[in-house]
Amino acid sequence: SQQGEEDPQALSIQEGENATMNCSYKTSINNLQWYRQNSGRGLVHLILIRSNEREKHSGRLRVTLDTSKKSSSLLITASRAADTASYFCATDKNQAGTALIFGKGTTLSVSS
Amino acid sequence: EPEVTQTPSHQVTQMGQEVILRCVPISNHLYFYWYRQILGQKVEFLVSFYNNEISEKSEIFDDQFSVERPDGSNFTLKIRSTKLEDSAMYFCASSSRGTGRSGANVLTFGAGSRLTVL
Repeated sequence: SQQGEEDPQALSIQEGENATMNCSYKTSINNLQWYRQNSGRGLVHLILIRSNEREKHSGRLRVTLDTSKKSSSLLITASRAADTASYFCATDKNQAGTALIFGKGTTLSVSS
Repeated sequence: EPEVTQTPSHQVTQMGQEVILRCVPISNHLYFYWYRQILGQKVEFLVSFYNNEISEKSEIFDDQFSVERPDGSNFTLKIRSTKLEDSAMYFCASSSRGTGRSGANVLTFGAGSRLTVL
């Protein structure tokens, strides 16, 4: 089945450091999205990158997409304790009307 | 900012009982979804709903599950006879458009309904 799979599963860093999370998927996509989930809460959309884009920035977030390797990375620069959360990549299929499929997520812990 | 609201936030039920989880999607959204997340695990797709019918469902969404949009605002998930393994957080989501070459399906999620089956 087509899924995003993130690695690492867990990441612990200090405030101010950069955090990089990776996502791999299996089938062709229209776009790839990253979502954030605070503990016990719903997912919040962070950023979307289309299949014809290679890199995208939003504030302290930088996303790359390599469709030849079917992989994406999310970089959070100058991390803060408030960035502590789980981060999920989500992919759609290259087909109208299908739902987003989420990976297992990376749990990021930023300590001050 | 518009949000997706879900009720109840937490429901405890006995195995075999019926449960209805309710969601109010964002008012101008047309696509509705249910996902679930077993504690500490990934977010799993259950079903998508558009134009008053199911547009896609996963293997998890078997005959025990049903969805309904009974009026113009609510979107419900019914579990007919709950099992222990149905214990999870259930998330409703909505979007203004579906996927496809011309679409970008950004989902807005509710805070979730935690279901505990005893």
